[in-house]
Amino acid sequence: AQSVTQLDSQVPVFEEAPVELRCNYSSSVSVYLFWYVQYPNQGLQLLLKYLSGSTLVESINGFEAEFNKSQTSFHLRKPSVHISDTAEYFCAVSEVYGNKLVFGAGTILRVKS
Amino acid sequence: GAGVSQSPRYKVAKRGQDVALRCDPISGHVSLFWYQQALGQGPEFLTYFQNEAQLDKSGLPSDRFFAERPEGSVSTLKIQRTQQEDSAVYLCASSQPAGQGVEEQYFGPGTRLTVT
Repeated sequence: AQSVTQLDSQVPVFEEAPVELRCNYSSSVSVYLFWYVQYPNQGLQLLLKYLSGSTLVESINGFEAEFNKSQTSFHLRKPSVHISDTAEYFCAVSEVYGNKLVFGAGTILRVKS
Repeated sequence: GAGVSQSPRYKVAKRGQDVALRCDPISGHVSLFWYQQALGQGPEFLTYFQNEAQLDKSGLPSDRFFAERPEGSVSTLKIQRTQQEDSAVYLCASSQPAGQGVEEQYFGPGTRLTVT
């Protein structure tokens, strides 16, 4: 069975500092990987996804994630965070694209000025 | 355009009451998912529809939980004889099936159910 582990429940960071949110998964087959973001009082939104091809994927707002098959990881990074990045971030995995997602417990990113 | 909508946004039920939660997916989306998100946890899969067919209900925690999508559009999640452990946010998501364009799951705002 699939599972997703997000190692940090909360990550406080100062504005303009770099950040890494960690995600490890377990699965017996090939997977598709996702990061979703939930801003305060809003629904889940897809941030970025890995389906195949290049192991480094990027979002339009400066986040990137790298699929590492040997370490079964899909960590999310941003070189310089903004106050507006404050949100909860969820890593998710799916064994069949377009099918159900298995989520991690989430990491709350708190960006301080 | 309109996204996924859910109603009610908040529901307080007394233990033992039945509740019905509604999801309106994005128009034209074939696939519909229900997830349960307990406090401090990530969403957990409950059930999946493709059109009106319920293809996977492996995540429903008990036979008190029932979901339907009779016309392949609006879906209702019903919980009978609610228990305190049913308190959670119930999320609905819709998408196109794989291979038919953008398969991203679009999530609604959720219904927060509190059982007292």
